[in-house]
Amino acid sequence: ELKVEQNPLFLSMQEGKNYTIYCNYSTTSDRLYWYRQDPGKSLESLFVLLSNGAVKQEGRLMASLDTKARLSTLHITAAVHDLSATYFCAVDADWTSGSRLTFGEGTQLTVNP
Amino acid sequence: SQTIHQWPATLVQPVGSPLSLECTVEGTSNPNLYWYRQAAGRGLQLLFYSVGIGQISSEVPQNLSASRPQDRQFILSSKKLLLSDSGFYLCAWSDPYEQYFGPGTRLTVT
Repeated sequence: ELKVEQNPLFLSMQEGKNYTIYCNYSTTSDRLYWYRQDPGKSLESLFVLLSNGAVKQEGRLMASLDTKARLSTLHITAAVHDLSATYFCAVDADWTSGSRLTFGEGTQLTVNP
Repeated sequence: SQTIHQWPATLVQPVGSPLSLECTVEGTSNPNLYWYRQAAGRGLQLLFYSVGIGQISSEVPQNLSASRPQDRQFILSSKKLLLSDSGFYLCAWSDPYEQYFGPGTRLTVT
């Protein structure tokens, strides 16, 4: 059974600081996704990582994937209040037969002024 | 462009009552479709997925069922709701590279 673990689960940081969220998973996969969820809302896609060594950046967020270590990171640079949300990683362990995602528990990020 | 709809947006139902949640997708044909549930403060759990009309796979045992009567319609049902069925229900469709989520239905079972 595929397990996906995120840490930390709760993160409170000051504006302007940097931090990294980690996503570990238990079985071989080369497809990993990062989503953002605002309170009471659905999921918004942030990054799609489809191969070992993939790195993608959008604004103050950068995601990377190391399939050998079964690890993805979401790095936040110079955080701003608008980044406050819950961030989920999700792994697709068998995308050839229907793309079924297993999610981590989420990291609730609060950026304080 | 593709659009995914879910209704109702919110629902309050008593224990033991039936349930029907609907999801429709526009702008694509023969999509893979998914139902996820999110308990309060938790991640998403895949409940059902479908690769075509009438083809449903269940990921977890429960008192819920799913049906796909048309190519772009996916329905989640229950004959008798339990308190533990409360949560945020999200429908999704996928292309070969990504899953796209609907706006969700927030269900409270009282």
